[in-house]
Amino acid sequence: DTGVSQNPRHKITKRGQNVTFRCDPISEHNRLYWYRQTLGQGPEFLTYFQNEAQLEKSRLLSDRFSAERPKGSFSTLEIQRTEQGDSAMYLCASSLDGVGYTFGSGTRLTVV
Amino acid sequence: GQQVMQIPQYQHVQEGEDFTTYCNSSTTLSNIQWYKQRPGGHPVFLIQLVKSGEVKKQKRLTFQFGEAKKNSSLHITATQTTDVGTYFCAGSDGAGSYQLTFGKGTKLSVIP
Repeated sequence: DTGVSQNPRHKITKRGQNVTFRCDPISEHNRLYWYRQTLGQGPEFLTYFQNEAQLEKSRLLSDRFSAERPKGSFSTLEIQRTEQGDSAMYLCASSLDGVGYTFGSGTRLTVV
Repeated sequence: GQQVMQIPQYQHVQEGEDFTTYCNSSTTLSNIQWYKQRPGGHPVFLIQLVKSGEVKKQKRLTFQFGEAKKNSSLHITATQTTDVGTYFCAGSDGAGSYQLTFGKGTKLSVIP
C-alpha cells in the first residue's frame, strides 16, 4: 500500500475559479477526512466520511465547499468561486475506526 | 466548541536536553492523539491515549493523559536533531462528533 495519495500537489488559481482536489485513501480504511492547514496553525477539520456517507461537516465550512466520496473509495473536495482566504494546504487523511490518522502529502492551493 | 491549546508555541533546545510540550482541552476528551510534522511535511501519527492517567513510552518519548482527561503531555528525553518538527496534540470529545480538534502545535528546534 502506498499510503494516502493526493492530487494535485500544487494548484494556483485565479480568484473566482473553481478547483477540485482528489484523495485516494488507504484501501483498508473505512474513514476519510479532509482538513485544512495554514502556516503556523494546526490542521482544521472540514469534513468526514464513513465509507460513502458524509457524516460530519464543519460549521465553519462555507457552502462554496463540497466533498464527495462515491462508492466509498476516493474522495474529491471542490471549492467554488475561490477567494484569497481559501489559500492553504488541504490535507486528506484516512483511518480504520478513527485510531491514528494517516495523512496524505496535501494539496497546496494558492488563490491569486 | 471544543478548543485544544498547546504550550509552548516554540521551543529551542540544545541537543541532548529534554523537551516537554503540554496540551489542554476545554472539554473532557474521549481520547487524545499526538502527531509530528517535519518541516515541509504532513502530520504523522505517533500515539493515541484513551484511559485516564495513561502513560505510554516510545523509546525517548513519554506520553501522558491527565486524570481528568482534559490534558496531556509529551516529553522527549535527550533530544536529537531528528526530533526537529512541530508536535501536535489532537483530541476528540466523542460527543457525537468524529472530528479530531488539533492544537496549534509546539515547534521544536534542536541546536546541534
